[in-house]
Amino acid sequence: DAKTTQPTSMDCAEGRAANLPCNHSTISGNEYVYWYRQIHSQGPQYIIHGLKNNETNEMASLIITEDRKSSTLILPHATLRDTAVYYCIVRVGSTGGFKTIFGAGTRLFVKA
Amino acid sequence: DGGITQSPKYLFRKEGQNVTLSCEQNLNHDAMYWYRQDPGQGLRLIYYSQIVNDFQKGDIAEGYSVSREKKESFPLTVTSAQKNPTAFYLCASSTWAGGKNIQYFGAGTRLSVL
Repeated sequence: DAKTTQPTSMDCAEGRAANLPCNHSTISGNEYVYWYRQIHSQGPQYIIHGLKNNETNEMASLIITEDRKSSTLILPHATLRDTAVYYCIVRVGSTGGFKTIFGAGTRLFVKA
Repeated sequence: DGGITQSPKYLFRKEGQNVTLSCEQNLNHDAMYWYRQDPGQGLRLIYYSQIVNDFQKGDIAEGYSVSREKKESFPLTVTSAQKNPTAFYLCASSTWAGGKNIQYFGAGTRLSVL
């Protein structure tokens, strides 16, 4: 699975959009981008994933660049409850290779 | 409600003792995983199982053992050979569907050494 690079931490004002970047310059053509988040002392929670098209669900939007070497997770209206560590992961979608590498992630602080 | 149940939430181990962490899922997922998380760090894969009666070592399997006798259950034993077992342990499950491999996590077990 390709390696990802994320900033260590970010701040965001409550009610504003939080834009979390991720670099995955060695991503392969069949690797998906996944985002999870982990609120303190809980298990990680799936947010969204995509292959090459932008994706949106009830939690967030995922913007993937045309060359697929980077992506951005967007939380459109951040709340205090969005304070968490956000993990960007790339992995093959539907073949073997169950190893998933969760790096240190980005610690997002949403401030009132 | 469907999900992953880990127990206990907190566990204490004495020196030289083996302890077993429980993980049960009712999501009908084929694959299950155990991760270890140290303070301020990401998750590291200990063991994973793609199907009943089969499991594979992850990146840090030494000092740990698992079994997968039932689809719903994937217990992790932390043996006395694991010299630094204090950590947060997370169990997850997943299935392949439509190109997705979304992992669903339990609430975790926090293990400490007395």
